Amino acid sequence: EVQLVESGGGLVKPGGSLRLSCAASGFTFSSYSMNWVRQAPGKGLEWVSSISSSSSYIYYADSVKGRFTISRDNAKNSLYLQMNSLRAEDTAVYYCARGAAAGFGTLHYWGQGTLVTVSS
Amino acid sequence: EIVLTQSPATLSLSPGERATLSCRASQSVSSYLAWYQQKPGQAPRLLIYDASNRATGIPARFSGSGSGTDFTLTISSLEPEDFAVYYCQQRSNLYTFGQGTKLEIK
Repeated sequence: EVQLVESGGGLVKPGGSLRLSCAASGFTFSSYSMNWVRQAPGKGLEWVSSISSSSSYIYYADSVKGRFTISRDNAKNSLYLQMNSLRAEDTAVYYCARGAAAGFGTLHYWGQGTLVTVSS
Repeated sequence: EIVLTQSPATLSLSPGERATLSCRASQSVSSYLAWYQQKPGQAPRLLIYDASNRATGIPARFSGSGSGTDFTLTISSLEPEDFAVYYCQQRSNLYTFGQGTKLEIK
């Protein structure tokens, strides 16, 4: 069974930093692209970042480019999102989602999310 | 950036009725379009991928159609558990989501 478990969310002040993690199990993590998608309270879904299986290709939404860094550790079956210079508008539930074995593909599996609140 | 526009924003129907949800792309996304269902407090669940393929475990009452810029999600006969928010998403050029359609009980 595919499982994705996010952690690392919490309350942080504007301008602060936070590192999210996503622990994957039930599939060959190193073969799949991975993604972060967020959802602000009461709002829709927003794609944040994607990373290919070998970390060769990395993409960011314009809203987070230069502030967030996606990475992965295939030996630890883990995905990360380093978030710096956080703003109030980054407040959201952050989901990790599995992409495809080739390219990026449809997001078939999602974690339950971790809440990030940016407030003074 | 490819913009996805969903309509209507809210759809009020009764159990047993047929639901038709629309998603229009600002430029062609070929068939690289997916539909997700989200209930309060839950993660999105994939329903349809590549425009018309049902994901694993999704009931046959859910179907998707379209290509290019116009797509439709149809629920043939609404069950009580189908009332939720539905999002379309394209993967032709990175990823973008539509703003969602809320399907509510009439």
